[in-house]
Amino acid sequence: DVVMTQTPPSLSVAIGQSVSISCKSSQSLVYSDGKTYLHWLLQSPGRSPKRLIYQVSNLGSGVPDRFSGTGSQKDFTLKISRVEAEDLGVYYCAQTTHFPLTFGSGTKLEIK
Amino acid sequence: EVQLVESGGGLVQPGASLKLSCVASGFTFSDYWMSWVRQTPGKTMEWIGDIKYDGSYTNYAPSLKNRFTISRDNAKSTLYLQMSNVRSEDTATYYCTRDTMGVPFAYWGQGTLVTVSS
Repeated sequence: DVVMTQTPPSLSVAIGQSVSISCKSSQSLVYSDGKTYLHWLLQSPGRSPKRLIYQVSNLGSGVPDRFSGTGSQKDFTLKISRVEAEDLGVYYCAQTTHFPLTFGSGTKLEIK
Repeated sequence: EVQLVESGGGLVQPGASLKLSCVASGFTFSDYWMSWVRQTPGKTMEWIGDIKYDGSYTNYAPSLKNRFTISRDNAKSTLYLQMSNVRSEDTATYYCTRDTMGVPFAYWGQGTLVTVSS
């Protein structure tokens, strides 16, 4: 199975600051079609997960452009610019290139 | 509006069987692949498997393949997860998800909690 390693496990930031979350995979996530199926999800407290970014850098519907995703092959980053209170929760990366599909262990974002 | 509503969870004894359902609305169910994902009490996310839009093909996590079966009834816009010989480690919240443009996890239900305990 592809192991997804997220860092840091948690972070605390003030409103208006920027943060980055890292996700590294144990194998390249480039599929045979040339696309990279790495996605980012946010689970707000008490809610179901929501997909924020798909295929490395594409924003999901209604996701503010404060969120951005970058990376390639095995190394990916989610950046949140100008953090807002509603951004708190647990962020997960997930890969859908290889079966079985796998998730990172999550990064908990708290607001100072 | 896309809606996915899971049901069927609850307290179940080890070794028993349980069938979860996910009723979909707000889209043409038969056009989409669907998946089941579970989240343990410790918040670990685990993909269980998925099923093709017409029900003709399924994929499973190897560790669950022998005990879990995914099916669907497109006439009822309903996705199912049949769980057999459940174990304490199956205790989790179970979510159904829908893909968009072939990419999973675009939409999630509210989840249904399964607790395996004697």
